[in-house]
Amino acid sequence: ELKVEQNPLFLSMQEGKNYTIYCNYSTTSDRLYWYRQDPGKSLESLFVLLSNGAVKQEGRLMASLDTKARLSTLHITAAVHDLSATYFCAGNSNSGYALNFGKGTSLLVTP
Amino acid sequence: SQTIHQWPATLVQPVGSPLSLECTVEGTSNPNLYWYRQAAGRGLQLLFYSVGIGQISSEVPQNLSASRPQDRQFILSSKKLLLSDSGFYLCAWSVGLIVTEAFFGQGTRLTVV
Repeated sequence: ELKVEQNPLFLSMQEGKNYTIYCNYSTTSDRLYWYRQDPGKSLESLFVLLSNGAVKQEGRLMASLDTKARLSTLHITAAVHDLSATYFCAGNSNSGYALNFGKGTSLLVTP
Repeated sequence: SQTIHQWPATLVQPVGSPLSLECTVEGTSNPNLYWYRQAAGRGLQLLFYSVGIGQISSEVPQNLSASRPQDRQFILSSKKLLLSDSGFYLCAWSVGLIVTEAFFGQGTRLTVV
């Protein structure tokens, strides 16, 4: 079964700094998903990466996928407080019908 | 546009009591439906998924069950709740034989006391 590992699990960073969250997965998959969760809230879809080399950007966030390395990254540029949240990556289960999630990265952006 | 409704938003139940959480999707046909659970401070655990009416796949053995009586309705149940059933329950939907994106409901926070 697909296993998804994120690191770091906790990240405290200053406003204005850059950082990258890493997502490794265990089996061959050509698609990867990133979600955001605010405290006490549900999950919001951020990015859908559907092929090797896919790169998507939205504001200060950029996600990429390397299927050969089984690695996706979520890069944060010039962090602001509003980005404080938990970020999850997910991949397709072996059946393809469901998503298996990593444990999430709790991001805190401080002044 | 598609929407997903999940209720109740919050629930406090005593140990040993039954549970019924309901989720409905509007604006799409034959969706894949999911129940996930998120324990406090932890990731998401897939509990059940369904690709059609009456078709339920269980991912984790436990005292929970799921049913899909209608195309766009998914119900999570338990006959007797345990303390360990506490958590944040999320319903989600997707379309297609292979998931390309899943969309989540607002969640139900269940506390078993």
